Amino acid sequence: DTGVSQNPRHKITKRGQNVTFRCDPISEHNRLYWYRQTLGQGPEFLTYFQNEAQLEKSRLLSDRFSAERPKGSFSTLEIQRTEQGDSAMYLCASSSGTGPYEQYFGPGTRLTVT
Amino acid sequence: AQSVTQPDIHITVSEGASLELRCNYSYGATPYLFWYVQSPGQGLQLLLKYFSGDTLVQGIKGFEAEFKRSQSSFNLRKPSVHWSDAAEYFCAVGASMDSSYKLIFGSGTRLLVRP
Repeated sequence: DTGVSQNPRHKITKRGQNVTFRCDPISEHNRLYWYRQTLGQGPEFLTYFQNEAQLEKSRLLSDRFSAERPKGSFSTLEIQRTEQGDSAMYLCASSSGTGPYEQYFGPGTRLTVT
Repeated sequence: AQSVTQPDIHITVSEGASLELRCNYSYGATPYLFWYVQSPGQGLQLLLKYFSGDTLVQGIKGFEAEFKRSQSSFNLRKPSVHWSDAAEYFCAVGASMDSSYKLIFGSGTRLLVRP
């Protein structure tokens, strides 16, 4: 069990640029989540995958955000035309099973938009 | 509305003293409750969880939490704090009404430990 990994750990980009983050969940975990955490706040849910299907998206996820999980393995989160308000820590988590199993979090990707 | 409240933004305790971090939740169905800890620049580590059964649950690093349905609370406790416990602590409820079981987090309590 190597844990959830995320890349890159840090990303600095200029406003208007596109960025993509990657999450590798714990192997065989069928559920994958993306959360966003801003300074001084708890994480907020963005989206959820069960295997390769994206089953739920938060209203926080504007049209500039897109997430994929091809083949039900790793996932990517892309932000197009970044804005300064997108600056945050983006956390990925995975869990197994069909019930309320605990979610295991990756170290996060810190995005800074200048 | 579903929500989690952690009333204390910061708490400072002396090393060796006892600790209690408060958490209140508002959720219309069976709550699945979690405490996570986050060290600076790190992701979240699960300390403990409550799904059902015994309302006093034990976790890692000597932490425990007690579920009190009548008070809608799930407070975290530790009898003797170590300097390495300094971190941010998040209480969360798992959304059992959603098939995703996404987590709804409180805003966190930052624990400072005096030597």
